[in-house]
Amino acid sequence: QKEVEQNSGPLSVPEGAIASLNCTYSDRGSQSFFWYRQYSGKSPELIMFIYSNGDKEDGRFTAQLNKASQYVSLLIRDSQPSDSATYLCAVNILYGNKLVFGAGTILRVKS
Amino acid sequence: DTEVTQTPKHLVMGMTNKKSLKCEQHMGHRAMYWYKQKAKKPPELMFVYSYEKLSINESVPSRFSPECPNSSLLNLHLHALQPEDSALYLCASSPGGSGGTDTQYFGPGTRLTVL
Repeated sequence: QKEVEQNSGPLSVPEGAIASLNCTYSDRGSQSFFWYRQYSGKSPELIMFIYSNGDKEDGRFTAQLNKASQYVSLLIRDSQPSDSATYLCAVNILYGNKLVFGAGTILRVKS
Repeated sequence: DTEVTQTPKHLVMGMTNKKSLKCEQHMGHRAMYWYKQKAKKPPELMFVYSYEKLSINESVPSRFSPECPNSSLLNLHLHALQPEDSALYLCASSPGGSGGTDTQYFGPGTRLTVL
């Protein structure tokens, strides 16, 4: 079992819709969870981080964490074509600085 | 300001060359990282420096040699690379706090091609 799993997609949504990206992780001791956006040929850009169970909202983005189910998700409301990118879920596996990434989900927002 | 800078942006080198990648941050972060990313794959951790000391080496071949001259700078020295080492090399930094909640910020990367 991979440590961090994501559906590779592509996930296609129409402009203005809600995009839902999901991620599961295997280490119950994981402390923190991150979503990065990566455009083709560019470096990962931090979108959201979440440490506690529940929802965290920032603008059009909402991160959701359920530690009991070992599940973290990212919702993007009012999706725009500029949101088309690969979204990487990352989990702090060890107590410290090691970040493990999922394979990434390709999101395509169609206008 | 969450800026991490990397130079050069692009690098082409032969298998017998010696070159270095540079990374700099001025956010007062105390942890710095090197990642390697191949096309359509997620970043793979190579090295972690915490408070200027190497804390994680993910069994990286010795042809990659990291150096942390001070808390703001991170270098990756390259020697006798192979064509399969061609990739995007990413530097990241984080505040370095404990508690498992450290947040990493990435630089723009160096696109390396080994001929």
